[in-house]
Amino acid sequence: AQSVSQHNHHVILSEAASLELGCNYSYGGTVNLFWYVQYPGQHLQLLLKYFSGDPLVKGIKGFEAEFIKSKFSFNLRKPSVQWSDTAEYFCAVENGNTGKLIFGQGTTLQVKP
Amino acid sequence: EAQVTQNPRYLITVTGKKLTVTCSQNMNHEYMSWYRQDPGLGLRQIYYSMNVEVTDKGDVPEGYKVSRKEKRNFPLILESPSPNQTSLYFCASSLNLASEAFFGQGTRLTVV
Repeated sequence: AQSVSQHNHHVILSEAASLELGCNYSYGGTVNLFWYVQYPGQHLQLLLKYFSGDPLVKGIKGFEAEFIKSKFSFNLRKPSVQWSDTAEYFCAVENGNTGKLIFGQGTTLQVKP
Repeated sequence: EAQVTQNPRYLITVTGKKLTVTCSQNMNHEYMSWYRQDPGLGLRQIYYSMNVEVTDKGDVPEGYKVSRKEKRNFPLILESPSPNQTSLYFCASSLNLASEAFFGQGTRLTVV
């Protein structure tokens, strides 16, 4: 069965620290990969996505992610976080054949000023 | 303005009383889906629809029904709600596969 695992459930960083959030999935077929962010009290918004081409994708607000097919991973990175990045982050994997979308459990990021 | 609209935003109901949460999008998107969000579990897909009259089960379809009679609407129906369906529900739409999903504002449902 298709599954998505986010290794870090709660991350606390100081401003200007670098961020890397792990995401692994279990599905050997064609996938489309997403990272979404949910700010407190709001709905989810897309940060970035990958479906083909360059495995290093850049998103909004300075975020980027790298798709490593051999490791079934799609980790999210940001070189220098800001207090406004405090939010919950979700990795999501879409089955490229059926359209079924699976989200990870989410990672809560708290950035201290 | 492009948006996904869910109604109601908040709902408290009693066990067994049928309810419907509506979802409408104005972007002519083909793909629509419903999720529930629970602490520590992230978002779990309930049902999704890749086009009119086409619906498929997600990961947690038990206790829910959907219909897609027209492109813009994708209502979620709870025929006999139970307390374990207390959750935050999101509707989303996207143009097609590999496209950004646009989420509604959410519906917080409490079943007592």
